[in-house]
Amino acid sequence: SQKIEQNSEALNIQEGKTATLTCNYTNYSPAYLQWYRQDPGRGPVFLLLIRENEKEKRKERLKVTFDTTLKQSLFHITASQPADSATYLCALDTYGGSQGNLIFGKGTKLSVKP
Amino acid sequence: DGGITQSPKYLFRKEGQNVTLSCEQNLNHDAMYWYRQDPGQGLRLIYYSQIVNDFQKGDIAEGYSVSREKKESFPLTVTSAQKNPTAFYLCASSPRGSPGNTIYFGEGSWLTVV
Repeated sequence: SQKIEQNSEALNIQEGKTATLTCNYTNYSPAYLQWYRQDPGRGPVFLLLIRENEKEKRKERLKVTFDTTLKQSLFHITASQPADSATYLCALDTYGGSQGNLIFGKGTKLSVKP
Repeated sequence: DGGITQSPKYLFRKEGQNVTLSCEQNLNHDAMYWYRQDPGQGLRLIYYSQIVNDFQKGDIAEGYSVSREKKESFPLTVTSAQKNPTAFYLCASSPRGSPGNTIYFGEGSWLTVV
């Protein structure tokens, strides 16, 4: 069966450290993978998109890797801050076309302690 | 400001009642979506629409109905046939025909059955 898993429901780290979140999938062949941030009681906000032929993508303190052989994406936040505390969702775009139907993971709740 | 507006933010439904959640966008996006989010669950797609007057069922369409009479509006009706409607509902939109669609979410509506 098709599955998308974010390995940790919760991740607690100290301010200044690098947070690494994992997204694994089985029986999908995504053309794209996206990461979103969701704060409590609010809608998710897009962070980064990576294509299947890209190994790595960066945006400020964020970095995403995409390994289609391992069927895994890693999401890194360097020099983490308490303001980075939120739930992070990965999403597979299995079509990469006009439908834009994303399959979302359940999310990892990140807590950054001062 | 461009964006997606959902209303109401909080809604209470009595058993046997139908309720309608409003979603309006001024991003000029062709595609619109409704997701449901339950605690500890990922986002699940209820319905989506790629163009006016056309929409398709998502993974959990039973007990829900939608309409798309205008490009900017995609209301969701939760019918009495939906046996467990208490959840956080998210409306979203994306540009049509763009590979690797980024989805823009509204702020969500909380529905509680009383």
